[in-house]
Amino acid sequence: DAGVTQSPTHLIKTRGQQVTLRCSPKSGHDTVSWYQQALGQGPQFIFQYYEEEERQRGNFPDRFSGHQFPNYSSELNVNALLLGDSALYLCASSPPNGLYTEAFFGQGTRLTVV
Amino acid sequence: AQKVTQAQTEISVVEKEDVTLDCGYETRDTTYYLFWYKQPPSGELVFLIRRNSFDEQNEISGRYSWNFQKSTSSFNFTITASQVVDSAVYFCALGAGPASKLTFGTGTRLQVTL
Repeated sequence: DAGVTQSPTHLIKTRGQQVTLRCSPKSGHDTVSWYQQALGQGPQFIFQYYEEEERQRGNFPDRFSGHQFPNYSSELNVNALLLGDSALYLCASSPPNGLYTEAFFGQGTRLTVV
Repeated sequence: AQKVTQAQTEISVVEKEDVTLDCGYETRDTTYYLFWYKQPPSGELVFLIRRNSFDEQNEISGRYSWNFQKSTSSFNFTITASQVVDSAVYFCALGAGPASKLTFGTGTRLQVTL
């Protein structure tokens, strides 16, 4: 049973560019959340997708957007990249009716903006 | 708003020593969940435990134990007879409100040496 998988593992982009990160949830999970983890910090919640809609959003600008597909996989898009967007981006999936269950995390995508 | 505090930035111990990682939290929700995650250098967050706000029983799992005290808003984690493989960053997290968004602390880096 594959866990949460994210691609790519590493990515280098230039300021002003756009980037798309991808996430496949654990089998049987229907909810996907995205987190940004800056170096030396804890993960910060970006947003969550359920039934192909954004259900909740953290304190991130509109440059951060997402999508969920019918197979529950998800994408995180960041436009007009800034140096400060350099971070580890983590995807987490949760099972149905999992309001308070644990989230299972992927290995993350390390984004470097130069 | 929820808040998680991990005051210990870094802890170094010698193998076989016991070590306790502290976690404090703030929330106005009466129903909430507390989590501990381990983050090895690979980056993936590994789930260790979940505890709900109605269950204050301490829990032991092998060399790991958790002490949840609602009266002091703390959820501390103890590793008994630490091993080099325990070296990692440990995060405490709080899940409250809808959609299981998690609020993380800043993490405690544990270094176990021979």
